Amino acid sequence: NAGVTQTPKFQVLKTGQSMTLQCAQDMNHNSMYWYRQDPGMGLRLIYYSASEGTTDKGEVPNGYNVSRLNKREFSLRLESAAPSQTSVYFCASIRAGGETQYFGPGTRLLVL
Amino acid sequence: QKEVEQNSGPLSVPEGAIASLNCTYSDRGSQSFFWYRQYSGKSPELIMFIYSNGDKEDGRFTAQLNKASQYVSLLIRDSQPSDSATYLCAVLTGNQFYFGTGTSLTVIP
Repeated sequence: NAGVTQTPKFQVLKTGQSMTLQCAQDMNHNSMYWYRQDPGMGLRLIYYSASEGTTDKGEVPNGYNVSRLNKREFSLRLESAAPSQTSVYFCASIRAGGETQYFGPGTRLLVL
Repeated sequence: QKEVEQNSGPLSVPEGAIASLNCTYSDRGSQSFFWYRQYSGKSPELIMFIYSNGDKEDGRFTAQLNKASQYVSLLIRDSQPSDSATYLCAVLTGNQFYFGTGTSLTVIP
């Protein structure tokens, strides 16, 4: 079991470039989440998917889009990156009715 | 008003002492409460969750919940240097998790 995996681990973008962050889990979990973590701000929810085929906005969805490709995979897309999107991005998953969110190792994104 | 508030610290305690971490939340409809530990450069990992008023103990860790006061705490007994980390409080409201900004704990040998 790999748990929750994220790619890439680190990325540098220029303002206006686009990219997709990938997340996959092999635990057969229903729900998946994308967070960003900034110094002094804690973890903030960007989007979540309560089940395959559904996605919903979290606290800070502006500038992002998501796709729940199948039960395993949940991707986060930045269409036109901005310096304000410089952050560490974490993907997480949880089984239906469960309490434990399992987090991926994170993607460190720098937008110049 | 932020959903979840924590003292950012830093909090320093000597090895073997009790560390006390506190958290308040704003939404009375929040149904479950969590404490995560995050080492520098790593992802958060769940320590404990609680959803009923009172205390819940797991080894050296005790979570306390007071829904009337909208207050959650975490006690770490016999603190060890390996407990040095940032501790994140989180609440589940509906389908969304809201996190506090974290409290940095240093245990001094």
